[in-house]
Amino acid sequence: EAQVTQNPRYLITVTGKKLTVTCSQNMNHEYMSWYRQDPGLGLRQIYYSMNVEVTDKGDVPEGYKVSRKEKRNFPLILESPSPNQTSLYFCASSLVGRMNTEAFFGQGTRLTVV
Amino acid sequence: DAKTTQPPSMDCAEGRAANLPCNHSTISGNEYVYWYRQIHSQGPQYIIHGLKNNETNEMASLIITEDRKSSTLILPHATLRDTAVYYCIVRVQGDSWGKFQFGAGTQVVVTP
Repeated sequence: EAQVTQNPRYLITVTGKKLTVTCSQNMNHEYMSWYRQDPGLGLRQIYYSMNVEVTDKGDVPEGYKVSRKEKRNFPLILESPSPNQTSLYFCASSLVGRMNTEAFFGQGTRLTVV
Repeated sequence: DAKTTQPPSMDCAEGRAANLPCNHSTISGNEYVYWYRQIHSQGPQYIIHGLKNNETNEMASLIITEDRKSSTLILPHATLRDTAVYYCIVRVQGDSWGKFQFGAGTQVVVTP
C-alpha cells in the first residue's frame, strides 16, 4: 500500500531536548516536505527536498533541520525545541516533473513542548 | 501565486449532494486546481484535480468554469464520514512547484 509513515504520532518533550520525527515513503517519490499546522494559521511548509541531498527552506524553517540521505526518508530535527514549536506536523511526498501530480500526506505527529 | 477563496463553512444533509465553491480569479493558464480534504487532525487527503475540463472520480466531481476563474467540487451523496475541512488549492510555479499552499478551507459538516 502506498503510504507516508511518520513516527511518533504523539510526542511530549521538554524545552531544549533534541528530538527527531521520522518520515518514510514507499512510493519512490523524489519530492518530500514537512508542514506544521496551527489553529488559525493553516498548513505552513517548513522544509522541502527535491531529491537526495537536495533540501531547501520553506516558509517557516527557523528552529528546524532536515536531512535527505536516502530517497525514502526525510527526518525532521528539532535541535533545541521550544514551546512555540508545539504543533501538528505533517510529512508529504510526491513525484517531480509533472504539474498534475498529487501529494501524499502522513497521518501527522502531534508535538507538545513544555 | 494564484489565491483561492472559499466559504468558511457549510452544512449538508446526509445523502444529498454537497457543492463546494472556490474562486481563483488570478489563476494562470497552466496552473491546476486541486482539492484536498482533512478529516479532523488527520493528514490531508487528495480528492481530485483538473486543468480546464470537468473531472470525475470515485470520490467526487470537479466542475471548472470556462474562464477558469472558479470551480465547484461536488460530493454526489454526502455521508457523515465526509465531514471535514475541504481545501481548494492552485498549484504554485517555479522552484517551489511542489509546494501546496493551503488556505483556510471550507469546514463541511454533514448532518443526519
